[in-house]
Amino acid sequence: DAMVIQNPRYQVTQFGKPVTLSCSQTLNHNVMYWYQQKSSQAPKLLFHYYDKDFNNEADTPDNFQSRRPNTSFCFLDIRSPGLGDAAMYLCATSREKGISYEQYFGPGTRLTVT
Amino acid sequence: AQSVTQLGSHVSVSEGALVLLRCNYSSSVPPYLFWYVQYPNQGLQLLLKYTSAATLVKGINGFEAEFKKSETSFHLTKPSAHMSDAAEYFCAVSRNNRLAFGKGNQVVVIP
Repeated sequence: DAMVIQNPRYQVTQFGKPVTLSCSQTLNHNVMYWYQQKSSQAPKLLFHYYDKDFNNEADTPDNFQSRRPNTSFCFLDIRSPGLGDAAMYLCATSREKGISYEQYFGPGTRLTVT
Repeated sequence: AQSVTQLGSHVSVSEGALVLLRCNYSSSVPPYLFWYVQYPNQGLQLLLKYTSAATLVKGINGFEAEFKKSETSFHLTKPSAHMSDAAEYFCAVSRNNRLAFGKGNQVVVIP
């Protein structure tokens, strides 16, 4: 089945220790998104890629970076995680940019910072 | 700017009773609206979407939503709640190639 895969599902890192979260997709979609979702809140968009074109949200901290080496893979790098970065991180894809295209979400990676 | 409002963070419903989740939008142009469901420790799954083709939209798991322009609403309903409907539900509007989510409704189903 075509899908969005996130690894690992659970990640524990230490305060200040860099961490990378992974997302892959078999849908061959052009757009990939990263969201941060804290407990009992709506997902908050961090950035997205349209093909290789990177689009950062204005309020995304510099601590968060992303890479998209090819169509299938996208990575979220947190350079120096703080306690406030503990959250669920969701990857999503859509076939194209445009208001009518729905997004397909992966199962998420729950990040714990100790 | 387009946005959606969901009132009442927690909604309790008895098993077999009507599920009604309210969503109101603000948009200066015809909106594209979505309902997503999120089960514990899972990603979001699309329930249904409105793209102006029909005002009554049927989705998965027996859910449907009706677009009412006069009321700027897109409420989600299901005639008979099942225990498996316990989850968080998000209404969203497509805006500038992004999704703007409401705050969500946590649905609790009471046996």
